[in-house]
Order: sequence, then structure tokens, then C-alpha cells
Amino acid sequence: GAVVSQHPSWVICKSGTSVKIECRSLDFQATTMFWYRQFPKQSLMLMATSNEGSKATYEQGVEKDKFLINHASLTLSTLTVTSAHPEDSSFYICSAPDGGRVDQPQHFGDGTRLSIL
Amino acid sequence: KQEVTQIPAALSVPEGENLVLNCSFTDSAIYNLQWFRQDPGKGLTSLLLIQSSQREQTSGRLNASLDKSSGRSTLYIAASQPGDSATYLCAVIAGGFKTIFGAGTRLFVKA
Repeated sequence: GAVVSQHPSWVICKSGTSVKIECRSLDFQATTMFWYRQFPKQSLMLMATSNEGSKATYEQGVEKDKFLINHASLTLSTLTVTSAHPEDSSFYICSAPDGGRVDQPQHFGDGTRLSIL
Repeated sequence: KQEVTQIPAALSVPEGENLVLNCSFTDSAIYNLQWFRQDPGKGLTSLLLIQSSQREQTSGRLNASLDKSSGRSTLYIAASQPGDSATYLCAVIAGGFKTIFGAGTRLFVKA
């Protein structure tokens, strides 16, 4: 079945570093992908919608200059956390709707645990 | 603004029990509703997807129902097993594929 691959699964880095997270759809094209953040013992919060070939749409309260999203191809979206600080430490997960159809399941990556020291 | 609520927040049951997890949403204008399982520190595993025109879906010991007009869904787990221990998340998908999650129900099944 359809699979979404997310890399890396775990990142530990120093404050001020920029971190790039990749999300790939492995056997289907994804014109739209979604990025979520999950703090410990909380649910997933949608951060932004990544659109192939156009600018991402950010949810209210999410800094677009802090969380740069690029969706350069039909199978790859990247999230870059720029100048990361300890408060950015979280679990980041991407998803893509199967075949780009709203009546199909959303497929999620395995997530990236980001720890900023 | 769509809000999704899950009750209970946590549940501990002995092995073999049948149990029901509840999900409610405030705006009935949804395309579909999806139930997920999340193990600690892991990503999401899709369990069941119910289209807005459907009433229920079944997969093995799992059955999910949807009453869109009342803004409710339930996930029924039959004959629970210790391996079912996880957090169960309900999510509604609205326009633009926007997915809104509930806070989840943490389930612990005791052997």
C-alpha cells in the first residue's frame, strides 16, 4: 500500500542550528502534504499545508519564517526549522492523502523527534 | 472552528473486555473521519476511515461508527488484548484536506 517516508527519525542539535526534515511519498504522487507538531502527551496540531509548486499555507500562530516548507516535487516536501531553540523541541509528523483524494486515507510518516539543546 | 473531543482521556481495562472510545466534533461539514493508533514515541497507524456518507466501518476486532448529524463517532474494540495498549486518535477531515485531531484516548489493557 501507499507509504510515506520521513527522515530523519531523530535529531539532537545545538540551539541556533537549522534542521531539515524530509517527507516522501513512496508509491504515489502527493500534490499536497501536511506538517504537524505534537508536544508530549498532546495531540497533533496542524502547522501548515505544503502545496507542490506553490507556497505553503500556514496555520494561525505558526511562523512561516521559522518553519520553511518546500514542496519541489510531487513526492517530496521538506520542513526546515530555522535557528532552532529548545522550545522548538517536539515531534514533527508529515502526512499525505492517498492519491491526492479526500475520500482516501491520510498516510503518515513515522515522525521526527527533534531535541534542541 | 472545528473542535474534536475524545472521551475518556485514559482507560485501563482487563484483557478480554469489550470497550468503546468516543469522539465528538463540533462541525458536521466533514469529508470523512479517521481513527488512528499511536504507540509511544511513534508515528500514526491508520485503523479505520469512515466516509461522510457511511455509518460504520469494520476491520477485525475494530468497528467504528459515524453519526455526522450529531457530530459523534465511536470506536468499538472487541475482546481487548494487551497489544491493543496505545493512544487512539480520532481525526476529522474537512475542506482542503485539513485534518483536525482529538487529544486521544490512552488505553492500557492489563494481562
